[in-house]
Amino acid sequence: RKEVEQDPGPFNVPEGATVAFNCTYSNSASQSFFWYRQDCRKEPKLLMSVYSSGNEDGRFTAQLNRASQYISLLIRDSKLSDSATYLCVVNLEGSARQLTFGSGTQLTVLP
Amino acid sequence: DAGVIQSPRHEVTEMGQEVTLRCKPISGHDYLFWYRQTMMRGLELLIYFNNNVPIDDSGMPEDRFSAKMPNASFSTLKIQPSEPRDSAVYFCASRVHGYTFGSGTRLTVV
Repeated sequence: RKEVEQDPGPFNVPEGATVAFNCTYSNSASQSFFWYRQDCRKEPKLLMSVYSSGNEDGRFTAQLNRASQYISLLIRDSKLSDSATYLCVVNLEGSARQLTFGSGTQLTVLP
Repeated sequence: DAGVIQSPRHEVTEMGQEVTLRCKPISGHDYLFWYRQTMMRGLELLIYFNNNVPIDDSGMPEDRFSAKMPNASFSTLKIQPSEPRDSAVYFCASRVHGYTFGSGTRLTVV
């Protein structure tokens, strides 16, 4: 079983739609959670951290369910510029301060 | 701040040749990571350093791969001899709190 699992998609949605991505992680000791965005042929960039209480950044909402080991990302009113691959990322704190990446969910927002 | 700088951006080499990828982390970042990304396996951590010391190299695929960090401002990832299955995008990242990735080196071994 992969440490971080995501639906690879692709998700093709019309502009203005709401789209949700899900992610599960296997290590219950994971402490920090993130969503990264990766544009085609570019490097991953941090989109937002995910907090236990859930958090929102403009049109983006992230949620964490520790009991189910489940993370989600909701994008409202999607824009053409949201087209990218979204990577779910977890960090097992401690001496090994490294990120484990999901394989990503590809989103295309259509005009 | 110029960010994490990687070179070269693209590398095409013949099987059996030595390949050296370079990375300059952001000044003051005490962690440096090397990742490899392929369509099949996604982003995989190869090795990471803390204060120039290799901490975990368990992700290095085999002895053909080696990495060094001689000082706080420079790291190399070397593949010798290279094989076609090494073709991938290799990312370097550095961090203090948040990660910053370089633009990557796209390696093609023919």
